[in-house]
Amino acid sequence: DGGITQSPKYLFRKEGQNVTLSCEQNLNHDAMYWYRQDPGQGLRLIYYSQIVNDFQKGDIAEGYSVSREKKESFPLTVTSAQKNPTAFYLCATQWGQGNQPQHFGDGTRLSIL
Amino acid sequence: RKEVEQDPGPFNVPEGATVAFNCTYSNSASQSFFWYRQDCRKEPKLLMSVYSSGNEDGRFTAQLNRASQYISLLIRDSKLSDSATYLCVVGNAGNNRKLIWGLGTSLAVNP
Repeated sequence: DGGITQSPKYLFRKEGQNVTLSCEQNLNHDAMYWYRQDPGQGLRLIYYSQIVNDFQKGDIAEGYSVSREKKESFPLTVTSAQKNPTAFYLCATQWGQGNQPQHFGDGTRLSIL
Repeated sequence: RKEVEQDPGPFNVPEGATVAFNCTYSNSASQSFFWYRQDCRKEPKLLMSVYSSGNEDGRFTAQLNRASQYISLLIRDSKLSDSATYLCVVGNAGNNRKLIWGLGTSLAVNP
């Protein structure tokens, strides 16, 4: 979607290395989300943040960390503790107080070298 | 029971066909409903929100049946470009704003 930028598009991780995926938005949306999608699988929630300086674990947070120091930015770090990091990572934003749709960046594909 | 369930398909239909997808959800307190489309190796994109009164957008019609807890998507006059995976998404009550994602139904429209 326009206004949500994920980088890089492709990323390769060596064993024991931490890597950080960037997600930036200029939509002024309060909430931001990180999902992981494996081939042929549905979206699984890693972390989400509804306001600056606050975030919550999703369903598969182990081996990941996030920060939300600015409204526009919600970076995801894949740590060496995540033993199976190969996946398609999607960042989403959401506007408003109620249940609104989420809008996605075009994703980052992470692979192990 | 999964919170959101969809028939995974694949649905293989000829161009011009009408195809319908159903989705069931388990939480009767769910408040919002959406259909997304996801092309191969791409991000999901919002196709349409689903309202209690039903809604239509061109060849696409979405219906919500709260009593039976299911949502439907009807695609008329299928085009080759409609080939994709269609994701049913449900938002539950409360302030956590999380959405619950179905695994998707795969559609292939053939010439």
